[in-house]
Amino acid sequence: NAGVTQTPKFRILKIGQSMTLQCTQDMNHNYMYWYRQDPGMGLKLIYYSVGAGITDKGEVPNGYNVSRSTTEDFPLRLELAAPSQTSVYFCASSLDSGANVLTFGAGSRLTVL
Amino acid sequence: TQLLEQSPQFLSIQEGENLTVYCNSSSVFSSLQWYRQEPGEGPVLLVTVVTGGEVKKLKRLTFQFGDARKDSSLHITAAQPGDTGLYLCAGDGENTGNQFYFGTGTSLTVIP
Repeated sequence: NAGVTQTPKFRILKIGQSMTLQCTQDMNHNYMYWYRQDPGMGLKLIYYSVGAGITDKGEVPNGYNVSRSTTEDFPLRLELAAPSQTSVYFCASSLDSGANVLTFGAGSRLTVL
Repeated sequence: TQLLEQSPQFLSIQEGENLTVYCNSSSVFSSLQWYRQEPGEGPVLLVTVVTGGEVKKLKRLTFQFGDARKDSSLHITAAQPGDTGLYLCAGDGENTGNQFYFGTGTSLTVIP
């Protein structure tokens, strides 16, 4: 099973450029999440979704947008990239909320110069 | 501000030693999870604790949820090089919109 698949794995952007990080899961999970992880820090929740058509903000949503048109896909959009968005981004999914297992993708390393 | 603070931030010990990692907050959580992350990979769940005072054991790892459900600890007995990694706690509750917010992380290095 593929689990949670993120693309691209690495990307370098110039300030002001836009891009989309893709995330797909094949486990029929209802919940999906985007986290960012800065060096030496834990993960911070950007956005999450409890099902197709429903999204909500997490701890650090500014500068990002998401959509959830299908159960499987949860893309993260950066409209005007800034150096502060240099980070490793992780997509995760879970069957439900609460004490459920978060299954993570391998991460996407983004550098904004 | 960080909802969950972990200590220590970095830990380097010799193989065979014992260690404890702490995860503290002023907030109450419905449940708390511990994850381990290796370089270049996403975190992998180790354990979930849901009851105040709960203790769970996973081989040489012992996890405890505080009585007040505000803190947790991870104790590793006789650490091995394979235990090296970043340990993360994550809690969920009303103050997090019932989503998991992660702690600051503890980077553990076990020297052979």
